[in-house]
Amino acid sequence: EADIYQTPRYLVIGTGKKITLECSQTMGHDKMYWYQQDPGMELHLIHYSYGVNSTEKGDLSSESTVSRIRTEHFPLTLESARPSHTSQYLCASDREPDTQYFGPGTRLTVL
Amino acid sequence: DAKTTQPPSMDCAEGRAANLPCNHSTISGNEYVYWYRQIHSQGPQYIIHGLKNNETNEMASLIITEDRKSSTLILPHATLRDTAVYYCIVRVLYNFNKFYFGSGTKLNVKP
Repeated sequence: EADIYQTPRYLVIGTGKKITLECSQTMGHDKMYWYQQDPGMELHLIHYSYGVNSTEKGDLSSESTVSRIRTEHFPLTLESARPSHTSQYLCASDREPDTQYFGPGTRLTVL
Repeated sequence: DAKTTQPPSMDCAEGRAANLPCNHSTISGNEYVYWYRQIHSQGPQYIIHGLKNNETNEMASLIITEDRKSSTLILPHATLRDTAVYYCIVRVLYNFNKFYFGSGTKLNVKP
């Protein structure tokens, strides 16, 4: 089992609030990812990181931002949450040779 | 980027082998075939991956046709806990941005 953690697991918040979704892994993996998944739908990559101080946007346009100050930590921030941000957010990290491990996810609801 | 085609759902009797097919007719020579599964409300779980040779691990076997245009994931003795959505993915090794999760196959394992 991979050691990758996400908090909170569930979040219900009002429009306009700033939120940060936490993701941590204890495996020392350099590569980390954030995906967005609507219920019953496929995953879409929104952010990824090669390592410390490296962040890139994925295929799916997102208003969120990420940071990578420490290897084990890859938080995602929404400065002003909107109902369109309601979704499940999945964090993952990568083990050689290129096998991703996923966290349990954060289910976000913006009212 | 190569996409995949999977049946939307399949049934399997508990204790029997589950054979999940995947078509990837536009796969490139440097693209690997990956299989993940996702149990309701959890993050995806890595199962197996391969390039052109058949692969086996403690969870499953992966059979890739000689022309690499299709593959089959085999769960040798399905249990009720194997009920999940199974995703077949093709991607270039180490390519962060190209990890397209399609709609997958919902496997229903029945007693």
